[in-house]
Amino acid sequence: DAKTTQPTSMDCAEGRAANLPCNHSTISGNEYVYWYRQIHSQGPQYIIHGLKNNETNEMASLIITEDRKSSTLILPHATLRDTAVYYCIVKRTNAGKSTFGDGTTLTVKP
Amino acid sequence: NAGVTQTPKFQVLKTGQSMTLQCAQDMNHEYMSWYRQDPGMGLRLIHYSVGAGITDQGEVPNGYNVSRSTTEDFPLRLLSAAPSQTSVYFCASSYSATQYFGPGTRLLVL
Repeated sequence: DAKTTQPTSMDCAEGRAANLPCNHSTISGNEYVYWYRQIHSQGPQYIIHGLKNNETNEMASLIITEDRKSSTLILPHATLRDTAVYYCIVKRTNAGKSTFGDGTTLTVKP
Repeated sequence: NAGVTQTPKFQVLKTGQSMTLQCAQDMNHEYMSWYRQDPGMGLRLIHYSVGAGITDQGEVPNGYNVSRSTTEDFPLRLLSAAPSQTSVYFCASSYSATQYFGPGTRLLVL
């Protein structure tokens, strides 16, 4: 799995968009970008994934640069419940395991 | 579906004791994996399985054994518990690269 780099922590005001960056400059052509989050030491929760096109679901949007060396997870209207550690993971689509880094601790403030 | 279940939720062991952490999933997923998470850190892969009868080591396998006799169950055995194994243990399952995590087992070794 390609290595990823994320900021250690970020703050966001409630109701504003939270933009979480991730660098993955060594990503291979068959590797996807996955995002998970972990709230209060619960089990990690899948958010979204993508290969090269931008993706959107009910939780978030994922923007991947054209060269695929970086990506941004966007929570459009952050709430206090979005306070969590967010992990960016790069891996092949058939890989049933993941390599987790330390992630970004997002704190949403009132 | 119950998803991924883990038992027990909490456990206290004395050094040298053995125990088995249970993990079960009812989604017919082929991939299952075990992670440990130490305070303030990301998850680290202990062992994983790509199907019944097939297991392999992850990043930190020492002191742990696994077996996969059925698709549903993937128990993790601590052979002789050590204080360094105090951690939170997460089990995950997946049918592709999207993993679903259990709620975790919090283990304290005295």
